[in-house]
Amino acid sequence: QVQLQQWGAGLLKPSETLSLTCAVSGASLSGRYWSWIRLPPGKGLEWIGEITDSGIPNYNPSLKSRVTISADTSKNQFSLKLSSVTAADTAVYYCVRGPIDNSFYYWGQGTLVTVSS
Amino acid sequence: QSALTQPASVSGSPGQSITISCTGTSSDVGGYDLVSWYQHHPGEAPKLMIFQGSKRPSGVSNRFSGSKSGNTASLTISGLQAEDEADYYCCSYAGYSTYVFGTGTKVTVL
Repeated sequence: QVQLQQWGAGLLKPSETLSLTCAVSGASLSGRYWSWIRLPPGKGLEWIGEITDSGIPNYNPSLKSRVTISADTSKNQFSLKLSSVTAADTAVYYCVRGPIDNSFYYWGQGTLVTVSS
Repeated sequence: QSALTQPASVSGSPGQSITISCTGTSSDVGGYDLVSWYQHHPGEAPKLMIFQGSKRPSGVSNRFSGSKSGNTASLTISGLQAEDEADYYCCSYAGYSTYVFGTGTKVTVL
């Protein structure tokens, strides 16, 4: 069974960089797709981006200029960085196994990130 | 790339059937048979309920079914149960290796 354990700073100030890491157990990072998805309070889910089985990242066009998703296969971990955060980036952030069959099967427990001065 | 449109809320009595719509465009919902649906109980991780429009993952009740007509996908929950009360989100492949989610629907069991 795939398990995703994520961590990172939960409170940021505006203009800082959000940084989250997700450790994968029960499956190899290699040869699979991995994504980050967020849920802002009172709003819907938003796909942030993915890193493919070839290590190529793809991003939501609305966030592309600020997002970096990377993978460390030696540690079986993948990471999210989001620069120049504002209050609008306050959300629960999930690391996710997928897409598989263009869907998102396994989700981490979520990390609440709050941006406030 | 705009969020897919879902009704804010849908309600039904136990045993009834309800349908949640998810409206997009020909660039996402209408262009691919790649809509998925997620159930989200607050405080938990979302759960995949339907993939590729109408397929159920192993372990998901057959009370959940998906369909599509044109630019609108739908999730039907039959035999509504108290445990079905949750938020539901649709998601579609939107081309160029991107995905777009819906605005979310709160399902209330009366």
